[in-house]
Amino acid sequence: EPEVTQTPSHQVTQMGQEVILRCVPISNHLYFYWYRQILGQKVEFLVSFYNNEISEKSEIFDDQFSVERPDGSNFTLKIRSTKLEDSAMYFCASSDLRHTTQYFGPGTRLTVL
Amino acid sequence: GESVGLHLPTLSVQEGDNSIINCAYSNSASDYFIWYKQESGKGPQFIIDIRSNMDKRQGQRVTVLLNKTVKHLSLQIAATQPGDSAVYFCAETLVGGADGLTFGKGTHLIIQP
Repeated sequence: EPEVTQTPSHQVTQMGQEVILRCVPISNHLYFYWYRQILGQKVEFLVSFYNNEISEKSEIFDDQFSVERPDGSNFTLKIRSTKLEDSAMYFCASSDLRHTTQYFGPGTRLTVL
Repeated sequence: GESVGLHLPTLSVQEGDNSIINCAYSNSASDYFIWYKQESGKGPQFIIDIRSNMDKRQGQRVTVLLNKTVKHLSLQIAATQPGDSAVYFCAETLVGGADGLTFGKGTHLIIQP
């Protein structure tokens, strides 16, 4: 069964450093998403991506964040200058069409020290 | 101030019993709802979905009920098994509206042997 994959599973970084979180969405899906989940809290939407551009972003997704589809299979989330409060699980998801089931990856645990 | 994690409601059931997990969704305009299961350290896993033109949908061992009048969603799990232990989230969206899913705060289901 096709699934969303994410790397790395755990990333530790120093405050102020840049990180790139990587995702491989399900191959025939057209919509890609990033969500985050701070420990013990709800899953929160960050951004959606379609046709090589951002479709929608939440207020959490400020100028420190960017997304990119560098090739035909990868989808990345970059945080330019990490802050302590960026520590969270980051989940990538994909769906075949807009407003259809979103399938989530296993997540990357980001720890900012 | 210091952020505090959400205290998740917990439902404890005996193995083999039926479970009912409830969710009050937030947006009366939402018309697509999904239940996800999240095991410790993993990403949300799709269980079942329902659109607002239905009030009941059944899957394998699971049933979702939708009451739009009171903005209530429930997930029924028949004959619970140890592998059902997880946090269960409802998520909502509006077809034609925002891309991102809005997640509820989750319920921790514990299966007692």
